[in-house]
Amino acid sequence: GAGVSQTPSNKVTEKGKYVELRCDPISGHTALYWYRQSLGQGPEFLIYFQGTGAADDSGLPNDRFFAVRPEGSVSTLKIQRTERGDSAVYLCASSHATHEQFFGPGTRLTVL
Amino acid sequence: SQKIEQNSEALNIQEGKTATLTCNYTNYSPAYLQWYRQDPGRGPVFLLLIRENEKEKRKERLKVTFDTTLKQSLFHITASQPADSATYLCALDQAGTALIFGKGTTLSVSS
Repeated sequence: GAGVSQTPSNKVTEKGKYVELRCDPISGHTALYWYRQSLGQGPEFLIYFQGTGAADDSGLPNDRFFAVRPEGSVSTLKIQRTERGDSAVYLCASSHATHEQFFGPGTRLTVL
Repeated sequence: SQKIEQNSEALNIQEGKTATLTCNYTNYSPAYLQWYRQDPGRGPVFLLLIRENEKEKRKERLKVTFDTTLKQSLFHITASQPADSATYLCALDQAGTALIFGKGTTLSVSS
């Protein structure tokens, strides 16, 4: 079956703009995670959904970041008033009843 | 403060040798520890999970150990091949929460 997909694969935006990043998890996976990875670093946790609700959003760096998962499947990470420091690869992962997480290829965000 | 460290950023070995990667952590009590492989431009791929009450886990040429007293995990790749060249990430799994990743060790296996 299909793995986790993320769109777009690359996003270039200007400082101050709004962006949305999409994640399509593996069908039937109830848990969905967003991570952010900067060059030379490991993935850094942002937010975790169990079903439709955010079970843990303690990793969101500030209130410019928000994520939704309205139907318990697709999730969108939204970043308002983007800053150059937001540039990174944003990874999405899903899992179901196991600890193993299945990652998507990521969206590379560049804020100019 | 809480830290997770992987011993080196880069490890270069010759084909056929055993690669050993180290993951140390402080001020965490993970119930599980996971290892992932990441290739350039791709998301991490799960390799192995070891529970806190397990000393060792094996899968084909891979072996992981977990010492909760030393707060350390060792990851071994035996009979290494150039195709094993990648970045390897350790991740703490405190059960029911998101993973806490180390920075990774980039392994290069030369033929």
